[in-house]
Amino acid sequence: DVKVTQSSRYLVKRTGEKVFLECVQDMDHENMFWYRQDPGLGLRLIYFSYDVKMKEKGDIPEGYSVSREKKERFSLILESASTNQTSMYLCASSFLSGSTGELFFGEGSRLTVL
Amino acid sequence: GQQLNQSPQSMFIQEGEDVSMNCTSSSIFNTWLWYKQDPGEGPVLLIALYKAGELTSNGRLTAQFGITRKDSFLNISASIPSDVGIYFCDGRNYGGSQGNLIFGKGTKLSVKP
Repeated sequence: DVKVTQSSRYLVKRTGEKVFLECVQDMDHENMFWYRQDPGLGLRLIYFSYDVKMKEKGDIPEGYSVSREKKERFSLILESASTNQTSMYLCASSFLSGSTGELFFGEGSRLTVL
Repeated sequence: GQQLNQSPQSMFIQEGEDVSMNCTSSSIFNTWLWYKQDPGEGPVLLIALYKAGELTSNGRLTAQFGITRKDSFLNISASIPSDVGIYFCDGRNYGGSQGNLIFGKGTKLSVKP
């Protein structure tokens, strides 16, 4: 079974803390993505990566950074968490080409910033 | 940038009713994907469409790729309680190695038994 695993389902952090959200996929996918999901706003792309050490900004990269040191792992970093970053964060992966284009999602990490 | 307008935003229906939702855009796409997100889970692909006018079924689900390539429709027949969730459309326009990834804002479906 294909799998995208996010390290934490639920996190509670304080304003100003540094937050790491980890994502690992076991499908040898080139592409990896981080989205945030808020009610009424749908899925908004934060960053994506199509190769190790490569990253591209999505629609809402402000306040976030990412790291992709290994093909299977894509980390989202909040350098100094703020309350408006309270959200559900979804990681996804896909093949670069020659496929349906389907994204495989993790179960999500619900972050609360107090 | 490109935008997908997904409607309705939410639906409250009785078990057994049929459901229709759609995504429209001012841009042309060459692929449409429909996902479902169960409560507390990540979205999962339901149906993929690759050709204008294409009609594809998956059990009680039917999806269509609009002939203008600017819209897509998803229908669910005879809804059941496990159809509850959020449905997302994903339009692709492959202009590069992977194309643009744009999701609609979702249709939240509630089914009353």
